Amino acid sequence: ETGVTQTPRHLVMGMTNKKSLKCEQHLGHNAMYWYKQSAKKPLELMFVYNFKEQTENNSVPSRFSPECPNSSHLFLHLHTLQPEDSALYLCASSLRDQYEKLFFGSGTQLSVL
Amino acid sequence: GENVEQHPSTLSVQEGDSAVIKCTYSDSASNYFPWYKQELGKGPQLIIDIRSNVGEKKDQRIAVTLNKTAKHFSLHITETQPEDSAVYFCAASARLRSNYQLIWGAGTKLIIKP
Repeated sequence: ETGVTQTPRHLVMGMTNKKSLKCEQHLGHNAMYWYKQSAKKPLELMFVYNFKEQTENNSVPSRFSPECPNSSHLFLHLHTLQPEDSALYLCASSLRDQYEKLFFGSGTQLSVL
Repeated sequence: GENVEQHPSTLSVQEGDSAVIKCTYSDSASNYFPWYKQELGKGPQLIIDIRSNVGEKKDQRIAVTLNKTAKHFSLHITETQPEDSAVYFCAASARLRSNYQLIWGAGTKLIIKP
């Protein structure tokens, strides 16, 4: 148990659906991250939040919409996704937004049909 | 852009032998180099990290070495055990636009043969 919990673990959605991924951390960290992991590719940073404020949007398409209501919770709202968006979506947290000593959740495996 | 090359993509070693995974980075200003281990069905977990002012760091059976001149860093696992089987990722800090980010390698699948 890393202290970072992601739900759901698996998600199958059609291209016209709207769904949300949830992440919660119990570590008292101030920074939270969304990463996309595709097979045999480097992790792709999507968004960074520090003290609830977005500090990084890595040119992510608008069909992905993050929300960070407080330092412990992070959401990723999904709508009108494409099949190429199928991947493992990982949430991470760290004490500060300096990318050091990241704690990852187990991820949400997303399949877009 | 900045990148991190990781080799090999797959490494198979006999239990008890040593394993070495190598990474090269492109940003000469990189100063932080973590290694993460990802087991099946889990997220990556930090196993060791090193800063650019240190050439080597050890933690029990794992060690990381850094050659700043050549922009190489390596993960060494000695006396490998079945539980070492996993995918290992290296990363290097880099300044992109106005912020620092981690640039990740593509991963090495380590297989420990009994």
